[in-house]
Amino acid sequence: ELKVEQNPLFLSMQEGKNYTIYCNYSTTSDRLYWYRQDPGKSLESLFVLLSNGAVKQEGRLMASLDTKARLSTLHITAAVHDLSATYFCAVESDSGYALNFGKGTSLLVTP
Amino acid sequence: EPEVTQTPSHQVTQMGQEVILRCVPISNHLYFYWYRQILGQKVEFLVSFYNNEISEKSEIFDDQFSVERPDGSNFTLKIRSTKLEDSAMYFCASIYPGGNTDTQYFGPGTRLTVL
Repeated sequence: ELKVEQNPLFLSMQEGKNYTIYCNYSTTSDRLYWYRQDPGKSLESLFVLLSNGAVKQEGRLMASLDTKARLSTLHITAAVHDLSATYFCAVESDSGYALNFGKGTSLLVTP
Repeated sequence: EPEVTQTPSHQVTQMGQEVILRCVPISNHLYFYWYRQILGQKVEFLVSFYNNEISEKSEIFDDQFSVERPDGSNFTLKIRSTKLEDSAMYFCASIYPGGNTDTQYFGPGTRLTVL
């Protein structure tokens, strides 16, 4: 069974601080996705990581992928309140494009 | 910018009733999906659909569920006899695979409440 594990599941951080969310997975897939979800809303695609060593950055968020370690990280730099949301990583199933999601990291950025 | 749309946004039904959730995927996309998210939990894959047939399904997608693409634009999820535990947010997604930016685009969701 494919497993996708995120940690931490809950994160409260002050504005201006840095932090990293981790995503471990058990499949041999080399594609990993990060999504953002605001309360009551849909899933917004943040990053698509397609190969080992891939690094992508958008604003204060940077995602990386290490397929050998089966690990992806989402790094937050100088957090601001607008980043408060739940962040999900997801990995494709071995048999196709179906996404298997982690439990999500609920991020709260406080003043 | 093209987007996935879903109707209705909220559906309330009685246990045992049939419901049909509707989705209009992005027009040139080829793969279509249904996921569900029980309140406060992770997103779970239900089924994928390609070339007018199911390409993959999860254990959740039992005989009570079916999908259909009745025309060139709509993609539907039917639950024949709803149970209390079917209450969740149901998301439709679509993708045009291939290329460096392919990702699944999610619709706004339908909140299903089974009473």
